[in-house]
Amino acid sequence: IVMTQSPATLSVSPGERVTLSCRASQSVSTNLAWYQQTPGQAPRLLIYGVSTRATGIPARFSGSGSGTEFTLTISSLQSEDFAVYYCQQYNYWWTFGQGTKVEIK
Amino acid sequence: EVQLVESGGGLIQPGGSVRLSCAASGFTVSSNHMSWVRQAPGKGLEWVSVIYGGGSAYYADSVRGRFTISSDSSRNALYLQMNSLRAEDTAVYYCTRGGSDQPFDSWGQGTLVTVSS
Repeated sequence: IVMTQSPATLSVSPGERVTLSCRASQSVSTNLAWYQQTPGQAPRLLIYGVSTRATGIPARFSGSGSGTEFTLTISSLQSEDFAVYYCQQYNYWWTFGQGTKVEIK
Repeated sequence: EVQLVESGGGLIQPGGSVRLSCAASGFTVSSNHMSWVRQAPGKGLEWVSVIYGGGSAYYADSVRGRFTISSDSSRNALYLQMNSLRAEDTAVYYCTRGGSDQPFDSWGQGTLVTVSS
């Protein structure tokens, strides 16, 4: 299953609302996760099951979608949120999108 | 607290071998699905291998026949034996908890494997 994320890069200002998209080449049911990776760090699980926040993840992160189209929304971007975000399907083996870099505008 | 600590990476010649280790704490490796995920320099994430709690192991096409995943319940550790290494295997290798119908909920800090002459 091929995961395609858009856009590749997003330039935003702190406090803005951010929406990242992820499309699967076929249905992944609700087996969709989002990860955040800051420079030099390991990825961190943010969202699983499309919309369930992982332990300790702030409420400003939310996920939605179904089937093949998914969205990660950050309601008000904080300085620590500038990072690369990956979507991942775990419905049939495991594949990741190519990532969306959220950078400071 | 769940913690994963990888070790064993380094500079390896093409065709060579290396074994990566992942020491786990805060949970029991043998009771969980465990995976290795890699990230080539400046690139995205690629699943490499999984070992299920029952012992079944699976591999990405790119490494099948060259890599072997295993675990040791007495050491609460995960391993990845990497043989016949190629330049395209150069990456940071992460040990993760997860697999089957579960996301990867815990990650180690990664260990860099560089395959070069």
